[in-house]
Amino acid sequence: DAGVIQSPRHEVTEMGQEVTLRCKPISGHNSLFWYRQTMMRGLELLIYFNNNVPIDDSGMPEDRFSAKMPNASFSTLKIQPSEPRDSAVYFCASSWEGLEQYFGPGTRLTVT
Amino acid sequence: GIQVEQSPPDLILQEGANSTLRCNFSDSVNNLQWFHQNPWGQLINLFYIPSGTKQNGRLSATTVATERYSLLYISSSQTTDSGVYFCAVPTGANSKLTFGKGITLSVRP
Repeated sequence: DAGVIQSPRHEVTEMGQEVTLRCKPISGHNSLFWYRQTMMRGLELLIYFNNNVPIDDSGMPEDRFSAKMPNASFSTLKIQPSEPRDSAVYFCASSWEGLEQYFGPGTRLTVT
Repeated sequence: GIQVEQSPPDLILQEGANSTLRCNFSDSVNNLQWFHQNPWGQLINLFYIPSGTKQNGRLSATTVATERYSLLYISSSQTTDSGVYFCAVPTGANSKLTFGKGITLSVRP
């Protein structure tokens, strides 16, 4: 099993640019989560999908953030426009029916 | 929302020593996960333990759901055990995990 796959692993961009993070969940899992980790706030959930449908996006910080899951094997998290305060590690996780969650390696985003 | 507290915040061990990490949570939960975040930032699943005791090699975990705590035991610690240990519990019906602030473990050779 390949585990949760995320790309890119590192992203450096300038303020104002669009950033797209990608995630491929574990095959057979039907729940997908996007988390963000910062020193100040720790690990926090941004959005949760179940069967490709967004269930809870209350953690999305503002309208600059959007997420999609067009099919069971792919999700994107987009930031447009990006700001320096968006710098963080973004994790994608998947599970079956919201049970044990498995995390990808993360994308380290730096916005200058 | 549910509060998750971990203790101690930092722990320094000599290689070979044993340790106990604690996780308290403020409300009843139907599952709990322990993770190890290694120095490269990867979150590695250690245990999925709603209740009872599980063991995996030198690590074991016990969750007492009725008393709202979980313990992670590390025996014969190794330098590769260094990193941050998180416990996390689901919040509400949507299964999103609420994480504790983590316990930073340093194992010295």
